[in-house]
Amino acid sequence: GESVGLHLPTLSVQEGDNSIINCAYSNSASDYFIWYKQESGKGPQFIIDIRSNMDKRQGQRVTVLLNKTVKHLSLQIAATQPGDSAVYFCAEKRVSGYSTLTFGKGTMLLVSP
Amino acid sequence: DGGITQSPKYLFRKEGQNVTLSCEQNLNHDAMYWYRQDPGQGLRLIYYSQIVNDFQKGDIAEGYSVSREKKESFPLTVTSAQKNPTAFYLCASNGGGSTDTQYFGPGTRLTVL
Repeated sequence: GESVGLHLPTLSVQEGDNSIINCAYSNSASDYFIWYKQESGKGPQFIIDIRSNMDKRQGQRVTVLLNKTVKHLSLQIAATQPGDSAVYFCAEKRVSGYSTLTFGKGTMLLVSP
Repeated sequence: DGGITQSPKYLFRKEGQNVTLSCEQNLNHDAMYWYRQDPGQGLRLIYYSQIVNDFQKGDIAEGYSVSREKKESFPLTVTSAQKNPTAFYLCASNGGGSTDTQYFGPGTRLTVL
């Protein structure tokens, strides 16, 4: 598969644990944020998004928290499963008017059975 | 079966040759994007197109060219001018307007021999 995980920060957890993946974003004027999951050899898959007028949003087993004061975004995964093992990217929407995104470098999540 | 398709999955090129990567979507999305992904790095924007017959350079457009003759298709040509073309190339699309979420294809791995 694709070696997208080389040299990335890695979070190792046990199956059933809760996982927290963090992301610092760059532009205080960004108004939209997305988390993607990328499995080896595949394209990124949308997980959850949040707009800047919110500080928390929940999905199925996932929660995104946004702290605009310190420009920090986190993804919480409840009851982590081996199938959650992947690289996770945060992305922020540029405020240039067009919908282009700036991506973080990613965090590799490894889940042990 | 709706979505974004990229072909081929693996592509090999000799130095000095141009090569074209295909991206097709049947989501009726207005906007399409090309990204490059290298190991340990986030996605970097090469080109994007908000509408047919129009496209803009992204952050790393040098050595690449695109066309947008049809709404469904956004092919990327990697030219011989691209100094380090070996990478994983990802195509994405979104509905445009106020829709910010981008959805990705499965990617093409290009290797220069």
